[in-house]
Amino acid sequence: QVLLEQSGAEVEKPGASVRLSCQASGYTSVINYIHWVRQAPGQGLEWMGVFYPDADTSAYTEKFRGRITLTRDTSATTFYMELSGLTSEDTALYYCATEVPRAYWFGPWGQGTLVTVSS
Amino acid sequence: QSALTQPASVSGSPGQSITISCTGTSGDVGSYKFVTWYQQHPGKVPKVMIYEGSKRPSGVSNRFSGSKSGNTASLTISGLQAEDEADYYCCSYANTNIYIFGTGTKVTVL
Repeated sequence: QVLLEQSGAEVEKPGASVRLSCQASGYTSVINYIHWVRQAPGQGLEWMGVFYPDADTSAYTEKFRGRITLTRDTSATTFYMELSGLTSEDTALYYCATEVPRAYWFGPWGQGTLVTVSS
Repeated sequence: QSALTQPASVSGSPGQSITISCTGTSGDVGSYKFVTWYQQHPGKVPKVMIYEGSKRPSGVSNRFSGSKSGNTASLTISGLQAEDEADYYCCSYANTNIYIFGTGTKVTVL
């Protein structure tokens, strides 16, 4: 069973960037895709993007294109999401979630990282 | 792309059946079988209840079922129980390798 452990809460000022991490463990030979989903306080889920480790490429929703970067470290077990140009509207709980390749659904999920953007 | 449209709230009495709709477009729900339904209890991470429109992961009660017609997917919960009270989100694969979540539905057990 794959487990995802996310980094701790962050407080950032408007205009800053934030880099969140998501460490995966319990892999078999399958290299799972890593999705990023956020949830603003009291709001719904919003898909942001996906990192494909087998191809070392990403896909993003149009809303975040130009502001989001998805990467991984050389060990291939820690994944990162960087979001730039933060505004108060980026205050949210950010989840990473795994997808068995071409399963088209997400799970397990990390515990989430709270990002607060405030001056 | 805009979020898929779900009713804000649905309620039912214990033992009743309820259905949650999820309306998209021909570019997402209407074109792909890859609609997933997630259940989220307060303060918890989402959990998959239905994938590929109508399939249940192991461990999910058979009281949960999914279907699709045209641009609208649906989740039905039969034999409603207190533990089913939660938020439910649909999510569809869409053109160009992206995913779109629904607006979310709060289910209340009366």
